[in-house]
Amino acid sequence: GNSVTQMEGPVTLSEEAFLTINCTYTATGYPSLFWYVQYPGEGLQLLLKATKADDKGSNKGFEATYRKETTSFHLEKGSVQVSDSAVYFCALRTLQGAQKLVFGQGTRLTINP
Amino acid sequence: DGGITQSPKYLFRKEGQNVTLSCEQNLNHDAMYWYRQDPGQGLRLIYYSQIVNDFQKGDIAEGYSVSREKKESFPLTVTSAQKNPTAFYLCASSLLPGQGFYSNQPQHFGDGTRLSIL
Repeated sequence: GNSVTQMEGPVTLSEEAFLTINCTYTATGYPSLFWYVQYPGEGLQLLLKATKADDKGSNKGFEATYRKETTSFHLEKGSVQVSDSAVYFCALRTLQGAQKLVFGQGTRLTINP
Repeated sequence: DGGITQSPKYLFRKEGQNVTLSCEQNLNHDAMYWYRQDPGQGLRLIYYSQIVNDFQKGDIAEGYSVSREKKESFPLTVTSAQKNPTAFYLCASSLLPGQGFYSNQPQHFGDGTRLSIL
């Protein structure tokens, strides 16, 4: 079946540090890949997406590249801010079957000033 | 502004009681979803609906029920059969995945309802 594995958190960094949150997936067919962000007490917001191999999604300084050869979609940001503190979810969706979103377990990120 | 509205934000359930969580969207989306989020875990799909008057079970449907009488609304009832209902419940909607422009449309989420047991 389809699944998503994220690096375990929590992750704690200092402001302006480089961020990587790893995400790998297992899927049949050709999934689209997403990163969502959840701020405390809120729902999920779409951060970025990529729909085919080698696509790069980007938003608010975050980037992730769809790597089919390594089945990965790692999230990166060159210089994090305190306001980036949140929980980040990697997810996939295929066009086959029920077309459901499958989420990773989430990675809690804390940025210290 | 278009969006998804969940209510209430906080809800308490007594023993043996059914409670209903509201989800309304004005995005003209065909598909709607309910997820459950437990601390430190990802989201698990409870039910989803791709068209009015039709819905399917997700991965953890036991103890829950839904209805889809209107395109805009997808209420979730947590029944007394759900023995561990304490969680954060998230509703989402999307355009139907399909071909071309509408392929793999992202889901848009509400702000959630936190359900606790009294």
